Amino acid sequence: DGGITQSPKYLFRKEGQNVTLSCEQNLNHDAMYWYRQDPGQGLRLIYYSQIVNDFQKGDIAEGYSVSREKKESFPLTVTSAQKNPTAFYLCASRQDRPPKGYTFGSGTRLTVV
Amino acid sequence: ELKVEQNPLFLSMQEGKNYTIYCNYSTTSDRLYWYRQDPGKSLESLFVLLSNGAVKQEGRLMASLDTKARLSTLHITAAVHDLSATYFCAVDGRGSGNTGKLIFGQGTTLQVKP
Repeated sequence: DGGITQSPKYLFRKEGQNVTLSCEQNLNHDAMYWYRQDPGQGLRLIYYSQIVNDFQKGDIAEGYSVSREKKESFPLTVTSAQKNPTAFYLCASRQDRPPKGYTFGSGTRLTVV
Repeated sequence: ELKVEQNPLFLSMQEGKNYTIYCNYSTTSDRLYWYRQDPGKSLESLFVLLSNGAVKQEGRLMASLDTKARLSTLHITAAVHDLSATYFCAVDGRGSGNTGKLIFGQGTTLQVKP
């Protein structure tokens, strides 16, 4: 079955450390997204990519970086510049032709220790 | 800038009662989504509404879209405990300059009491 796989499910980061969250999809979707969710709050868009080798900043891109070298993969790096990275991170993808909804991964819970 | 607002943000209701969650958005869009999230889990797609006047129903949930009023509703009929979750609406901003962005409301946490 097709879907989106996020790994790891839980991740612990030390102060000043960069960490990378993986997001892989085998749905052949064009667009991919990263969202951050803080406890009791909605989802905020970090970065998104509509085609390979291209991506745009979302509303809270500072302290994060992404790459889109392959259609299937959209990894998110949380850099040391992100001062409050503890959150639940969700990856999503979207099919454009024909237009359908968005599919979400199971999420990565990142905690600073 | 596209903004999405839900109300209420928290809803406690008795089993068997009906209620409606409202989702307002600020700019033109003809694609609206409803998701359910259980604690600690990812988002489960409930409805995709693609045109003005669209109405979709699944079990005790019914969603509608009025693009002229920029309003969607999620109606709950005869609530049961299993519907306790957080419900999000989200709007696809492609028709409003927010190309390719899915913007979420704050979420409505529904608690159904026996």
